[in-house]
Amino acid sequence: EVQVVESGGGLVQPGGSLRLSCTASGFTLSSYSMNWVRQAPGKGLEWISYITTSSRTIYYADSVKGRFTLSRDNAKNSLYLQMNSLRDEDTAVYYCVRDRYEEAFDIWGQGTTVTVSS
Amino acid sequence: AIQMTQSPSSLSASVGDRVTITCRADQGIKNDLGWYQQKAGKAPKLLIYATSRLESGVPSRFSGSGSGTDFTLTISSLQPEDCATYYCLQDYSYPRTFGQGTKVEVK
Repeated sequence: EVQVVESGGGLVQPGGSLRLSCTASGFTLSSYSMNWVRQAPGKGLEWISYITTSSRTIYYADSVKGRFTLSRDNAKNSLYLQMNSLRDEDTAVYYCVRDRYEEAFDIWGQGTTVTVSS
Repeated sequence: AIQMTQSPSSLSASVGDRVTITCRADQGIKNDLGWYQQKAGKAPKLLIYATSRLESGVPSRFSGSGSGTDFTLTISSLQPEDCATYYCLQDYSYPRTFGQGTKVEVK
């Protein structure tokens, strides 16, 4: 089965750090660009980051730029989102999403919940 | 960033009704638009990509149309299992941007 599974979410204090992981199975991660999308409680979807297959190009939403770092390890079929200087407004479910050749977000993980609170 | 405006924000319709959701971009995005369905407590699911291409496995009652700045998702005959929130997403440029969502209730 083609799927991605996120992990690493949890409760963290404002200003703290967390690293999310996304592991792919059923397909070769190195063949696809990937994204992270988040959803705050009761809110809509927000794209936050994108990385190409070789990691040559990485984009961030303004809301996380300078605080979040996206990376990947194709040998481990994994993607990582390092989140620093976390704020209350980063509280959300974070989804790892496969990018099908720049035309669709076709595979979504089940999400991992990040709660930023003191 | 390209702003995507979806309407309506919510709607209620009966089983068998034809339902239309619109999405407007504040600048031209060719046909680089997709539609996603999110059921309560679940991850979003791809329905339509490139404006009108139906994702494999998605029922044919879903269809998409439009180009440039104005796009439409149509459900030709609403079913109980279509109760969900629907989002458009432009994949024309970064940052990718979603519409604010349309919550569809089935009476």
